[in-house]
Amino acid sequence: GAVVSQHPSWVICKSGTSVKIECRSLDFQATTMFWYRQFPKQSLMLMATSNEGSKATYEQGVEKDKFLINHASLTLSTLTVTSAHPEDSSFYICSASWGGPGEQYFGPGTRLTVT
Amino acid sequence: DAKTTQPPSMDCAEGRAANLPCNHSTISGNEYVYWYRQIHSQGPQYIIHGLKNNETNEMASLIITEDRKSSTLILPHATLRDTAVYYCIVRVAFHGSGNTGKLIFGQGTTLQVKP
Repeated sequence: GAVVSQHPSWVICKSGTSVKIECRSLDFQATTMFWYRQFPKQSLMLMATSNEGSKATYEQGVEKDKFLINHASLTLSTLTVTSAHPEDSSFYICSASWGGPGEQYFGPGTRLTVT
Repeated sequence: DAKTTQPPSMDCAEGRAANLPCNHSTISGNEYVYWYRQIHSQGPQYIIHGLKNNETNEMASLIITEDRKSSTLILPHATLRDTAVYYCIVRVAFHGSGNTGKLIFGQGTTLQVKP
């Protein structure tokens, strides 16, 4: 099956700094990538949808200037959490799709802790 | 996208079939039923999807009622490794023409497989 990787798998940063998370589709070209956030004991919440070469579409309530998404190639999307605060601590998960029928493939997630 | 309703939790004995129900009474004619599962602290894993016919793959079977208002995911011989949160999601399968193919996760069913 298709494989999606994320890097790093976990990161600890200080409040006020920025953190970049990478999402890669390893064996297919992803025309669309999605970013989710998951707090403890809660479900996944979609943050944004990104298509290669165009601006991301953010879900209502998600600050686009705080969560910068870049989808520069068909195999790589990045999420940058800018000026991170402790409340941004969460599990961030990406998924990728080639746009056809069927499933999205999810990465293993990145656990962000902001101190 | 249509909403789904799932029981919050279920138990199943190891080796027995696990039957997970899902109600989606407002599903549209072009919306598919998707099932994903999430094992603790991992990204979601695709299980199966279908439109109106029953589907089976190496992981599970999907039974969709004739009126498409509900479905059941069947894990034929549950193992301890099947303990996870199972999500039933309905969405349009094909991207394009303004359809992003995004998945909206509900609270899912926590399946506990017991020895």
